[in-house]
Amino acid sequence: NAGVTQTPKFQVLKTGQSMTLQCAQDMNHNSMYWYRQDPGMGLRLIYYSASEGTTDKGEVPNGYNVSRLNKREFSLRLESAAPSQTSVYFCASTQTGFSNQPQHFGDGTRLSIL
Amino acid sequence: ELKVEQNPLFLSMQEGKNYTIYCNYSTTSDRLYWYRQDPGKSLESLFVLLSNGAVKQEGRLMASLDTKARLSTLHITAAVHDLSATYFCAVDQAGTALIFGKGTTLSVSS
Repeated sequence: NAGVTQTPKFQVLKTGQSMTLQCAQDMNHNSMYWYRQDPGMGLRLIYYSASEGTTDKGEVPNGYNVSRLNKREFSLRLESAAPSQTSVYFCASTQTGFSNQPQHFGDGTRLSIL
Repeated sequence: ELKVEQNPLFLSMQEGKNYTIYCNYSTTSDRLYWYRQDPGKSLESLFVLLSNGAVKQEGRLMASLDTKARLSTLHITAAVHDLSATYFCAVDQAGTALIFGKGTTLSVSS
């Protein structure tokens, strides 16, 4: 019962480097989300995908791109990392259309940009 | 724009005491979620509140929703150390995504 799996769990980058955070869910959910969590800020939505083939911007999309590769996988890419992107990144999924379903979260990726 | 405010942001409690965390939101929504996060861990779903007047209870925690007042409460009864964590409320934004409050960090000591 893996649920939502994120890789990597930790990463250190230098300013200007690029990387992709991976997320996969095995619950057959249609919607997937990327959040960032910063101290004292709660979780802020970066991008979401309501269904395979669609993506939409959230509250803080600048500096990020996403790809909904298939129904299971939703990746987040930093093209040119900046220190302001140091954060903990969470991926989540849910089955929309069933309002009693909460979002299920992965364990997070802790990203430091020097 | 939907805004979600929690208070207090920090709460230090003694074991055995009761307290309430408040979650106010700015626009109409009839779906609200409570999550728990332990330090360095992921978020765990606690309650899903779907309609005005909804009340859910699990152990020492009870959550309620008043959609007319745009207010949800998370009530803690006879706190124990194991309840120490950060609690988030999140409000559904037009069925697309969740907007989270900043979280309430609860510390329970004997």
